[in-house]
Amino acid sequence: GNSVTQMEGPVTLSEEAFLTINCTYTATGYPSLFWYVQYPGEGLQLLLKATKADDKGSNKGFEATYRKETTSFHLEKGSVQVSDSAVYFCALSARSTNAGKSTFGDGTTLTVKP
Amino acid sequence: EAGVTQSPTHLIKTRGQQATLRCSPISGHTSVYWYQQALGLGLQFLLWYDEGEERNRGNFPPRFSGRQFPNYSSELNVNALELEDSALYLCASSLSDTQYFGPGTRLTVL
Repeated sequence: GNSVTQMEGPVTLSEEAFLTINCTYTATGYPSLFWYVQYPGEGLQLLLKATKADDKGSNKGFEATYRKETTSFHLEKGSVQVSDSAVYFCALSARSTNAGKSTFGDGTTLTVKP
Repeated sequence: EAGVTQSPTHLIKTRGQQATLRCSPISGHTSVYWYQQALGLGLQFLLWYDEGEERNRGNFPPRFSGRQFPNYSSELNVNALELEDSALYLCASSLSDTQYFGPGTRLTVL
């Protein structure tokens, strides 16, 4: 079956540090890949997505590249801010007859200190 | 464009009672998904509805059930509530492969 493995947290960084949150996946076929962000007490917000190999998704300074050869979709940001403190989820959506049941990673908690 | 909405925001029940949670998808979206997020844990897939039919179900007991109405809104019902049902219940809607989430309903079982 499909699975998503995220870098374990929590991750604590100082403001303006470089961020990487690793995400690898297992899926049949060619899934779409996503990063979602969840701020305290809120639902998940779509941060970025990529639908095919070598696509780069980007939003709000975050980016991730769909790497089919390494089955990875690592999230990066060059300079984090305190406001980026949140839980980040990597997810995939498989294009199959079972499509619709997205698979989520366990989430990585990021805390950015001033 | 209005996003996914959920009601109520908070719900407090006692053990053995029933809870009903509601979700309105983004206009034009035909699929609705329900997830349970217990404190400190990830998302656990509950149910997927599309065009009024239940398409897939996660590993939850039958006391978790729901339905989708002709206007594509959805209800999640939890019968015989247990303490461990306390969680944030998230609804998402989609038209294709991208799910858009609502703010969630925080269910507390006392």
